[in-house]
Amino acid sequence: EVQLVESGGGLVQPGGSLRLSCAASGFTFSDHYMDWVRQAPGKGLEWVGRARYKAANYTTEYAASVKGRFTISRDDSQNSLYLQMNSLNTEDTAVYYCVRTAAGTPYDPLGVWGQGTLVTVSS
Amino acid sequence: DVQMTQSPSVMSASVGDRVTITCRASQGISNYLAWFQQKPGEVPKRLISAASSLQSGVPSRFSGSGSGTEFTLTISSLQPEDFATYYCLQHNIYPLTFGQGTKVEIK
Repeated sequence: EVQLVESGGGLVQPGGSLRLSCAASGFTFSDHYMDWVRQAPGKGLEWVGRARYKAANYTTEYAASVKGRFTISRDDSQNSLYLQMNSLNTEDTAVYYCVRTAAGTPYDPLGVWGQGTLVTVSS
Repeated sequence: DVQMTQSPSVMSASVGDRVTITCRASQGISNYLAWFQQKPGEVPKRLISAASSLQSGVPSRFSGSGSGTEFTLTISSLQPEDFATYYCLQHNIYPLTFGQGTKVEIK
């Protein structure tokens, strides 16, 4: 069974940092791009960023709202994706989803989602 | 960034109704457009990719069309389990961008 399980969410003060993890199983992790998508309470979906695979030199892309503060990384040996979040502010409060995107075709975006982990930024 | 504008934001409909949701892109995105369904308390689920390709297991009452800047999601006969929020996503140009969502409510 294809599965993505996020962890690491919680309460953090403004200006603080948090690292989210996503454990993948049931598929060949190294063959896929991986994304983070977030959803603030009662709001819509916002794409956060992407980590490409080895063949694309593990390059990354980010939304403007997080660029320079968030860093996406992956460890294919551990089938894991990470989101390092620094300089957090209240607008970063959201459920963060780990999401799989196929790399071999341009038409398979965000096909498999984890259950999400809640990050709350508050003093 | 490519702005994705969905309309309407909210709609009230009855079981059996034909429902159409529109998504407009601020610039051409070819057919790099996907539709997602999210029910309260649940994870988003992709219904359609490549603007019109139905995902495996998704009922045939769902269909998508469009290319360039204008896209539609149609539910031919609304069922009770279809009451949800629907989002479009463009994945042609970084950053990827979602529409603001269309909530389909029970009339």
